[in-house]
Amino acid sequence: AQSVTQLGSHVSVSEGALVLLRCNYSSSVPPYLFWYVQYPNQGLQLLLKYTSAATLVKGINGFEAEFKKSETSFHLTKPSAHMSDAAEYFCAVEGAGNMLTFGGGTRLMVKP
Amino acid sequence: GAVVSQHPSRVICKSGTSVKIECRSLDFQATTMFWYRQFPKQSLMLMATSNEGSKATYEQGVEKDKFLINHASLTLSTLTVTSAHPEDSSFYICSAIPATGSSYEQYFGPGTRLTVT
Repeated sequence: AQSVTQLGSHVSVSEGALVLLRCNYSSSVPPYLFWYVQYPNQGLQLLLKYTSAATLVKGINGFEAEFKKSETSFHLTKPSAHMSDAAEYFCAVEGAGNMLTFGGGTRLMVKP
Repeated sequence: GAVVSQHPSRVICKSGTSVKIECRSLDFQATTMFWYRQFPKQSLMLMATSNEGSKATYEQGVEKDKFLINHASLTLSTLTVTSAHPEDSSFYICSAIPATGSSYEQYFGPGTRLTVT
């Protein structure tokens, strides 16, 4: 069975500062991992995905994530936060039958 | 890119009535669609997997008689909340996987906010 843990339900950064959102996973097989962003009252938008190719994955809006098998982590980063990055972020791992298991989510707040 | 729509985007109904939510893949065919619910400030919880032409597979704890799922075509899945109660108020999100292409491509709809009064 798969599981995902996102450390920190709320993260606050200043505009222009580094964004780091943490995700640790548990999977019995080599995982496919995803980061999604959700704006208020909207569905999920895929930021990036890891599918066993390069361990450093670049996504949209300047985000990237690094798969570290030894740490079972897939943390999301962005060098410089923008006000428009304020949203809810979900890490997910794919299991059997293409089913996604989501982490609890991290709300990113960006201060001017 | 692949687009998934949901209708309605927002619905308010009275307790005891039924509500149908549609999930459509607009520019691709989807053999598999998923239904999730999301309570305020919480993560998405998978309710069921909907496969075209067969019965849906429900997750543990989800009442199949209360949440009726019909995947009648390769572009449409419907979720009917029967005899809705205030505790069914939630944000319902569907996703779809293209019949062709990578298995890990899952596209999400914009969600439907259900409020039961």
